[in-house]
Amino acid sequence: NAGVTQTPKFRVLKTGQSMTLLCAQDMNHEYMYWYRQDPGMGLRLIHYSVGEGTTAKGEVPDGYNVSRLKKQNFLLGLESAAPSQTSVYFCASSFRGLAATQYFGPGTRLTVL
Amino acid sequence: TQLLEQSPQFLSIQEGENLTVYCNSSSVFSSLQWYRQEPGEGPVLLVTVVTGGEVKKLKRLTFQFGDARKDSSLHITAAQPGDTGLYLCAGAEARDTDKLIFGTGTRLQVFP
Repeated sequence: NAGVTQTPKFRVLKTGQSMTLLCAQDMNHEYMYWYRQDPGMGLRLIHYSVGEGTTAKGEVPDGYNVSRLKKQNFLLGLESAAPSQTSVYFCASSFRGLAATQYFGPGTRLTVL
Repeated sequence: TQLLEQSPQFLSIQEGENLTVYCNSSSVFSSLQWYRQEPGEGPVLLVTVVTGGEVKKLKRLTFQFGDARKDSSLHITAAQPGDTGLYLCAGAEARDTDKLIFGTGTRLQVFP
């Protein structure tokens, strides 16, 4: 089992460029999440999905879009990157249910110039 | 708005010392988790507590959930360099258990 994988690991964008981050999990989890991590801020939820074909907004959704066309994949898109989106992005997945463990990917470090 | 505040934000100690990390909120949580994150990796779950007043021990780590389920603490006895990392608490609000609210994090450095 690979668990949760994220691609790419690193990316540098110029302001206004677009990109898609891919998250894949092989644990048959229903729930998937996208977070960003900034110094002193912990993890902040961007968007999440409670099942294939569903998405919902988290705490900081502006400037991002997501899609969950397949149960195992959760895509995070930046349509027009801004320097404020420079961050480390983590994907996570979990089984349905209260107090379920979230399993995290290794992260993607994104720099927007 | 950050619902979970952790303190201290940074902690540097010598091997063998004891320490306590606090996680506080004004919200009630149906469950609370503690994660540890090492540089360049994603967080990994240490423990989940679900009952007010619950205490769980994991070797030298002791976790406590407050009676009112608004706060939690992590106590490490005889810290070791291998305990170095970022510790994050995360709570599932009673009104929305589909997602976790993460704390601000405590960065711990244990020197040999």
